[in-house]
Amino acid sequence: EDQVTQSPEALRLQEGESSSLNCSYTVSGLRGLFWYRQDPGKGPEFLFTLYSAGEEKEKERLKATLTKKESFLHITAPKPEDSATYLCAVHHAGNMLTFGGGTRLMVKP
Amino acid sequence: SAVISQKPSRDICQRGTSLTIQCQVDSQVTMMFWYRQQPGQSLTLIATANQGSEATYESGFVIDKFPISRPNLTFSTLTVSNMSPEDSSIYLCSVLLGELFFGEGSRLTVL
Repeated sequence: EDQVTQSPEALRLQEGESSSLNCSYTVSGLRGLFWYRQDPGKGPEFLFTLYSAGEEKEKERLKATLTKKESFLHITAPKPEDSATYLCAVHHAGNMLTFGGGTRLMVKP
Repeated sequence: SAVISQKPSRDICQRGTSLTIQCQVDSQVTMMFWYRQQPGQSLTLIATANQGSEATYESGFVIDKFPISRPNLTFSTLTVSNMSPEDSSIYLCSVLLGELFFGEGSRLTVL
């Protein structure tokens, strides 16, 4: 069965305290892995797409990496405005899209 | 990228009524998706709507409850029929244009 699991469910960081969010997946025929940021009351905002193991992408304080089994979203020196829910989704065989449960990140000043 | 507009952005409805949510995209797309996000939860795919064919529904979702129209390559509607409080959720329209882009969502509260 295709599954996407994110951990931790919630993460509290102090401003400047770097950390990583995990997205592990078991799907058939990976076509791409998406990372999104979602603020309360808003739709998900696209961050990155990763297509193959070993690929990395960066945007400001965020860096996404991909292996054959999981993806990490590294947050370097986070700021309070990085507080949000981060979602990963996997595009796989049959044009299926499966979302993980999300990680709620809170960054305290 | 794609600009996706959803209407209404929010609504409060009475039990037993139906509501139609509209999704307009600023470019032509083959595949549009409708998701539901229940309070505090992640996104669950309701159905895939391709222009010129019937929507494909995921397990647990049926056409009688969530009829979908896709009259052209830039527009789709999702109707939530015979609503109950359990249907209170955010409903999101999305399109696949290389990446997967989302509208702002329609927050539905059923009393």
